[in-house]
Amino acid sequence: DADVTQTPRNRITKTGKRIMLECSQTKGHDRMYWYRQDPGLGLRLIYYSFDVKDINKGEISDGYSVSRQAQAKFSLSLESAIPNQTALYFCATSDSPGQGATNEKLFFGSGTQLSVL
Amino acid sequence: RKEVEQDPGPFNVPEGATVAFNCTYSNSASQSFFWYRQDCRKEPKLLMSVYSSGNEDGRFTAQLNRASQYISLLIRDSKLSDSATYLCVVNSYTNAGKSTFGDGTTLTVKP
Repeated sequence: DADVTQTPRNRITKTGKRIMLECSQTKGHDRMYWYRQDPGLGLRLIYYSFDVKDINKGEISDGYSVSRQAQAKFSLSLESAIPNQTALYFCATSDSPGQGATNEKLFFGSGTQLSVL
Repeated sequence: RKEVEQDPGPFNVPEGATVAFNCTYSNSASQSFFWYRQDCRKEPKLLMSVYSSGNEDGRFTAQLNRASQYISLLIRDSKLSDSATYLCVVNSYTNAGKSTFGDGTTLTVKP
């Protein structure tokens, strides 16, 4: 079984609909992230959470919200989807760094391809 | 200017060739550096961390130049299976330890 699981793998929806993407992990990591990737571009951070009570906006959080239901679960919501939110979405986890270190390696789910018509 | 910049490519090379990718970063407080590999429409996977002294893993060599703020990835004896997009990733304390991704360099190895 995958250590980081995203559902659904693919989703097609219409403008204005509410969509939730879910992510769960069995790695025991405290830190979880949501990224989006557009064709030909790198990953851009939407939201991140360093523990269950911690939620932070990333560089492109407008139009999105998140919920950290448990250490292992981090969901991303689009309250009212719009076509320019069509993208490949990745959830990722990382372990908390040791003292004096930055965050370490990222482990990704398989991604959710979202299409908003 | 983007915080992390990479040659977009594409790089098209024959099997057996040696190819090098560069990545520059603008935040001098950057602490950790990585190369990830991403196959088409799939999740990025860590290829290797980049250490100050440089490091090698089989056919792959990563170098860090802090003075010039760039990292590099060298692939020797390219294989068809090396065809992928290579993402440069930089972490820094001043960015709350979060990862910043370059847009990736696409490599195609041809027979």
